[in-house]
Amino acid sequence: DAGVIQSPRHEVTEMGQEVTLRCKPISGHDYLFWYRQTMMRGLELLIYFNNNVPIDDSGMPEDRFSAKMPNASFSTLKIQPSEPRDSAVYFCASSLRQSLNTGELFFGEGSRLTVL
Amino acid sequence: AQTVTQSQPEMSVQEAETVTLSCTYDTSESDYYLFWYKQPPSRQMILVIRQEAYKQQNATENRFSVNFQKAAKSFSLKISDSQLGDAAMYFCAYSPEEETSGSRLTFGEGTQLTVNP
Repeated sequence: DAGVIQSPRHEVTEMGQEVTLRCKPISGHDYLFWYRQTMMRGLELLIYFNNNVPIDDSGMPEDRFSAKMPNASFSTLKIQPSEPRDSAVYFCASSLRQSLNTGELFFGEGSRLTVL
Repeated sequence: AQTVTQSQPEMSVQEAETVTLSCTYDTSESDYYLFWYKQPPSRQMILVIRQEAYKQQNATENRFSVNFQKAAKSFSLKISDSQLGDAAMYFCAYSPEEETSGSRLTFGEGTQLTVNP
């Protein structure tokens, strides 16, 4: 089985540009999470979806960030406009409810974003 | 709010030796889960081991075992017979024992483990 697939793996952009990160969860998983990892703040949950519906977006830093899940096999995290402080590794993770009930998430390899 | 603290930013071990990574946490809950996740250079985080707080027996997964001290709120990871492939960042994590507990994971700062040949 393929794991969680994220793209791009690396992204370098200039301040002010729009950035779109993509995620394909594991087939059949009904929960999808977006995390951000930085040296200063560690791993932070940004938002998560259940059955394509956003459940908790309290971790989204500001209005420049938006996330969508148009169907069960695809999600995007968009930053517009991007700023240097958005530089981080963004992880997507997915899970089944029964796995989630015992705390297990399945992570992708992350997208490293650098905003110049 | 729950907090997870890993006081060792870096650790190193010789191949085939044993190493212990420390983790402490703070919670007012009585039922919860604790985890160790591994993040190798590929960046993909992988669950290594899980401990249910209600279980007195320490969890074990092959060369990986934990020392869970509930009263002390301590949860250390022991890696026996260390291998080069064990080199990674290790994150301790906590979640309350409730429905969809995985949606409420709190991670520690991480410990970078180096394995020397």
